[in-house]
Amino acid sequence: GQSLEQPSEVTAVEGAIVQINCTYQTSGFYGLSWYQQHDGGAPTFLSYNGLDGLEETGRFSSFLSRSDSYGYLLLQELQMKDSASYFCAVRDRSSGGYQKVTFGIGTKLQVIP
Amino acid sequence: DAGVIQSPRHEVTEMGQEVTLRCKPISGHDYLFWYRQTMMRGLELLIYFNNNVPIDDSGMPEDRFSAKMPNASFSTLKIQPSEPRDSAVYFCASSPGGGELFFGEGSRLTVL
Repeated sequence: GQSLEQPSEVTAVEGAIVQINCTYQTSGFYGLSWYQQHDGGAPTFLSYNGLDGLEETGRFSSFLSRSDSYGYLLLQELQMKDSASYFCAVRDRSSGGYQKVTFGIGTKLQVIP
Repeated sequence: DAGVIQSPRHEVTEMGQEVTLRCKPISGHDYLFWYRQTMMRGLELLIYFNNNVPIDDSGMPEDRFSAKMPNASFSTLKIQPSEPRDSAVYFCASSPGGGELFFGEGSRLTVL
């Protein structure tokens, strides 16, 4: 089966940079995604890494190392509105070659002034 | 497109009652996923479909849970009979098959 690990909580200062790490164990790995979820809301997609390296989307970047089964989400120029939970999710091959997406437990980010 | 649509948004029921949650995926998406979210267990994958066919239901907690997708634009998740420990937010998500899932707003279920 799959397993993902990420820190449960992170606190950072407004304007700073924060990195949220994710390690995973799975077979038939396709890629790693990141989602943001505000309290009471639905998860929304941030980024996806199918290949090793860095993907940048505005203030957010995501990195993947397939050989290390490791990835991270980097948030720059933190804003108060970035306070939310962040989930890494593994997309991997399920039975019959279909694609299954499994989520980590989530990291609650608190941005403080 | 209106996005993934779930109903009801909130449901309060009594133990033993049947609960039916509904989902309309984004048109053209081949994959539909049902997740359950609780504080203790995070986002758990319950079941997913590809082209209306159930592919993996290993996450369904027990026989009280069932899911169907009779056509490409509709899916249901049913709990019968419901129990207090089923209280959670249930999310439906659809995907065209790449790395991005599109989530509905969720159905918050409270079983008394």
